[in-house]
Amino acid sequence: NAGVMQNPRHLVRRRGQEARLRCSPMKGHSHVYWYRQLPEEGLKFMVYLQKENIIDESGMPKERFSAEFPKEGPSILRIQQVVRGDSAAYFCASSPGERSGANVLTFGAGSRLTVL
Amino acid sequence: SQKIEQNSEALNIQEGKTATLTCNYTNYSPAYLQWYRQDPGRGPVFLLLIRENEKEKRKERLKVTFDTTLKQSLFHITASQPADSATYLCALDTTGGYNKLIFGAGTRLAVHP
Repeated sequence: NAGVMQNPRHLVRRRGQEARLRCSPMKGHSHVYWYRQLPEEGLKFMVYLQKENIIDESGMPKERFSAEFPKEGPSILRIQQVVRGDSAAYFCASSPGERSGANVLTFGAGSRLTVL
Repeated sequence: SQKIEQNSEALNIQEGKTATLTCNYTNYSPAYLQWYRQDPGRGPVFLLLIRENEKEKRKERLKVTFDTTLKQSLFHITASQPADSATYLCALDTTGGYNKLIFGAGTRLAVHP
């Protein structure tokens, strides 16, 4: 079981470019979450998705950020026109469906975005 | 305002001693409280979950307590080892299993031989 796979692990972008971060959930998990971690700060919830549905995006900035989890393929977190303040570690996590009774998140190793 | 606070300073202890980490929160009513371990450059790893109606949970050398009156959780590692050195995060789930977790900033633990 490969766990939650995120790529790229490191991404460098110049201001104004686009960043695309990918996440493949753990096998058998249908729920995906994205969190952002700034240096010396706690992880901040961004968005919660199920296949083809955004369930809760209350932590996502209203502009430039979007997320999807298509029927086939990984979940994508997309940041358009990046700014220096977007530099952070972005973590994806997955969990089984709600009815399983498990409330535990399995995290990926993270994607570290640096904006020059 | 809502806050979740963990000791911001690193905790240094001697191998074999018990490490105790604190998580305090205000203006939340969590259904669950979870503890995660995070190593540098890695994602958090789940350790323990405790429900609001539970006082204590144990797993091997780990023990978590949850006091909803004091709004506090304590995380203990007994017989600590250098391999336990990491940052420990507490997280509140106020959504009853929805997994929209609210994380503290974490406490860095260093266990010295």
